[in-house]
Amino acid sequence: DQQVKQNSPSLSVQEGRISILNCDYTNSMFDYFLWYKKYPAEGPTFLISISSIKDKNEDGRFTVFLNKSAKHLSLHIVPSQPGDSAVYFCAASPLTGGSNYKLTFGKGTLLTVNP
Amino acid sequence: GAGVSQSPSNKVTEKGKDVELRCDPISGHTALYWYRQRLGQGLEFLIYFQGNSAPDKSGLPSDRFSAERTGESVSTLTIQRTQQEDSAVYLCASSLAGTLTYEQYFGPGTRLTVT
Repeated sequence: DQQVKQNSPSLSVQEGRISILNCDYTNSMFDYFLWYKKYPAEGPTFLISISSIKDKNEDGRFTVFLNKSAKHLSLHIVPSQPGDSAVYFCAASPLTGGSNYKLTFGKGTLLTVNP
Repeated sequence: GAGVSQSPSNKVTEKGKDVELRCDPISGHTALYWYRQRLGQGLEFLIYFQGNSAPDKSGLPSDRFSAERTGESVSTLTIQRTQQEDSAVYLCASSLAGTLTYEQYFGPGTRLTVT
């Protein structure tokens, strides 16, 4: 039973355009969401996060949007650059309570930014 | 500064053999996590250490899997009597403390292949 779903295994975008990566979740206990980026043969690196008290968080070219009622979040990258080509994982966790360290990950979306 | 390191980077073993995977976390990080990523899947949580204690072993898939941590530093994940379904990338992460306030830093992983 997948609690975090990334339904697009891959996405291809032209350099300079916007990349939109989507993530859906089913567990109502999740109230903290993170995006990780992974290059081949490296571990995932943290990119950006959002807690459920917000609906948007922005960091430079990266913006995460959260729609709690739809249990949906998205990562926008604008403008996209070839160096952004990587696998992007969505992850979620409860922010309070005994398991506020355990991340549940989606399967990832491979983003390719073409020059 | 040194990041999280893992060894070996690749391990091929025969079904039924035991394997040990090592993780060296970032110095001073009290929290340590093991995840695994099977082909085409997201990262699955295995176990969480706070110091040398493991308050959450809920993700270990069977009693063939065990882990320990010593000196609030290095951790080893041991898989006994390996099976083909154990083939995966095993990732270790560490953080300053065991809450999401602190970013989890991942190592590059150990790719385990059971033949």
